Amino acid sequence: NAGVTQTPKFRVLKTGQSMTLLCAQDMNHEYMYWYRQDPGMGLRLIHYSVGEGTTAKGEVPDGYNVSRLKKQNFLLGLESAAPSQTSVYFCASGTSGSSYNEQFFGPGTRLTVL
Amino acid sequence: RKEVEQDPGPFNVPEGATVAFNCTYSNSASQSFFWYRQDCRKEPKLLMSVYSSGNEDGRFTAQLNRASQYISLLIRDSKLSDSATYLCVVNGPSSYKLIFGSGTRLLVRP
Repeated sequence: NAGVTQTPKFRVLKTGQSMTLLCAQDMNHEYMYWYRQDPGMGLRLIHYSVGEGTTAKGEVPDGYNVSRLKKQNFLLGLESAAPSQTSVYFCASGTSGSSYNEQFFGPGTRLTVL
Repeated sequence: RKEVEQDPGPFNVPEGATVAFNCTYSNSASQSFFWYRQDCRKEPKLLMSVYSSGNEDGRFTAQLNRASQYISLLIRDSKLSDSATYLCVVNGPSSYKLIFGSGTRLLVRP
């Protein structure tokens, strides 16, 4: 099993450009998440999904959109990138209906917006 | 006030030392507690869950104090390979959402 994979691993964008980050998991998890991590800020939840076809806003959703068309995939889109979106983006997945709700993370995408 | 607060460190200790990290959380309704480990430029990985009665996993011991809303992690006989950032994590208002602390950095020197 590959676990959680993310593509691309690195990307440099110019202000105003758009891009999509892809997350895939092969653990049949219901829940998927997108976080960003900035120095001194910890992980902040951008958007999440509790199942195929459903998404919800997290703590810092502005400037991002997501889609969960297939259970195993969760896409994060930046429509018009801004320098403030320079960050490391982590995708995670987890099981449902349990108090033991460990999340499994992908290796991250390092995004720089110039 | 942050929902999960940790001392950022770094804690710089020699090999073999015992080191303890603390964490406080603000949501008294939280039911799940974890310590994650994050190596430099890598993803977070679950180190251990924290149970109400306290629990141990090898050299690692986790404690929970619900009354004080306080979680601790004790590492005995530190190894060079323990050098990493340790994230305190509690579940949010919904059980499937986790709130991450900013992390405590540990450096173990030879």
